Amino acid sequence: NAGVTQTPKFRILKIGQSMTLQCTQDMNHNYMYWYRQDPGMGLKLIYYSVGAGITDKGEVPNGYNVSRSTTEDFPLRLELAAPSQTSVYFCASGPVHTGSYEQYFGPGTRLTVT
Amino acid sequence: GESVGLHLPTLSVQEGDNSIINCAYSNSASDYFIWYKQESGKGPQFIIDIRSNMDKRQGQRVTVLLNKTVKHLSLQIAATQPGDSAVYFCAGGVGGGGNKLTFGTGTQLKVEL
Repeated sequence: NAGVTQTPKFRILKIGQSMTLQCTQDMNHNYMYWYRQDPGMGLKLIYYSVGAGITDKGEVPNGYNVSRSTTEDFPLRLELAAPSQTSVYFCASGPVHTGSYEQYFGPGTRLTVT
Repeated sequence: GESVGLHLPTLSVQEGDNSIINCAYSNSASDYFIWYKQESGKGPQFIIDIRSNMDKRQGQRVTVLLNKTVKHLSLQIAATQPGDSAVYFCAGGVGGGGNKLTFGTGTQLKVEL
């Protein structure tokens, strides 16, 4: 299994541009998450999904949108990029409770908005 | 909501010594806590978790202690190795509703040879 994969690895955007961060998992997990990590900080939850067709806001959703049309894919959309969105973005997935609450993380996308 | 924080931003230890990384939390309703390790340029990697009805859990070279009275948990790493150098995060969550986690800010563990 590849686990959680994210593309692209790096991206530079100009202010006002838009982009989609891709996330795919092959573990058949129901739960998926998007986090952002600013330098020297912990991870903050942007959006999450408990299954295909269901999404909900996390702690810092402003400026982002998500969709979940399949179990495997959970893309994150940035509209009108702003410098405050410069961060590292991590996608994660997790099973419905099976004895562990572990979330499995992808390698991250490093985004710079200038 | 949950607030999870760590006592020290950086911890330096000698190779072979034991490391103790501490974490405080605010939400008494947290069902579980997880410790993650993050190496430079990588995503967080699961180390160990503990449920709120437990005081202690052991893994390979790691032990997590939970003190619900003072809302504190710690990660102990035995015989610290250079490969343990990383940032360590604690995270807490309430089961159900997507099993969302709230992360602390992290402790940088530096292992000196």
